[in-house]
Amino acid sequence: AQSVAQPEDQVNVAEGNPLTVKCTYSVSGNPYLFWYVQYPNRGLQFLLKYITGDNLVKGSYGFEAEFNKSQTSFHLKKPSALVSDSALYFCAVRDSGGYNKLIFGAGTRLAVHP
Amino acid sequence: EPEVTQTPSHQVTQMGQEVILRCVPISNHLYFYWYRQILGQKVEFLVSFYNNEISEKSEIFDDQFSVERPDGSNFTLKIRSTKLEDSAMYFCASTPGGQPSYEQYFGPGTRLTVT
Repeated sequence: AQSVAQPEDQVNVAEGNPLTVKCTYSVSGNPYLFWYVQYPNRGLQFLLKYITGDNLVKGSYGFEAEFNKSQTSFHLKKPSALVSDSALYFCAVRDSGGYNKLIFGAGTRLAVHP
Repeated sequence: EPEVTQTPSHQVTQMGQEVILRCVPISNHLYFYWYRQILGQKVEFLVSFYNNEISEKSEIFDDQFSVERPDGSNFTLKIRSTKLEDSAMYFCASTPGGQPSYEQYFGPGTRLTVT
C-alpha cells in the first residue's frame, strides 16, 4: 500500500536561511508526488509535483523539491525562508491502485522566525 | 484564476442531525473528491466521484455518508446522522481529468462541529 511519512512535526528556521521539509514515500510502481501548503483557516494550496523527468522540481513561491528514488524521498526546499512561509506543509502521493486519490503525510509545521 | 468554493465555512450541528456540505468544483473539471481532516491529524480521503457515480470510497465513508452532483455545478456531501467523531474540516477537491499527473485543486474547507 502507498504511504507517505513526514518525520518532523515542526521545523524551525530563521528568516533568510535555507529550509528543508522532509518527506519519504512508499509506493508500488512510479511515484506521483505532491506538496501542498495550508495557511491558517485556509484550504490546501498546491505547491509542486513530481511526475517524471528532472529530479529537481520547481514550484510556487520559490519552493522546490528534490526527488531521490534510491532514498525514496521528496524533500521540500527553499533557499531563503520568509516569515510568510510559516504554515503547515503536506506531502502526498497519488494512489496508483485506485482512482487517483491522494494519500497525505501527517504534515509538518514550518515556523520561520524573524 | 478559477477556484473550488465551499459553503458554509463553518457548520455547527447537534448529534444525530443531518448536514449537507456544499462544494462548487472548477467548472471544466470532471473528477471530484471529498477529504476530511480531524483537528491535529492528517488529511484523509473519503470518496471520489466521476461520471455521476462513486468511483472509490474509504472505510470512513459508511452508510451515513452520501454524495451527489444534483446539477452541473454543485457537489454535495451529506452526513445523515452526525456523530461527535464527525467533527472535522471537510475539503472538496477536483481535477480536470483522470490522469494521475493532475494535481487536485482544493476548496477552503467546511469546519463541521458536532455537539
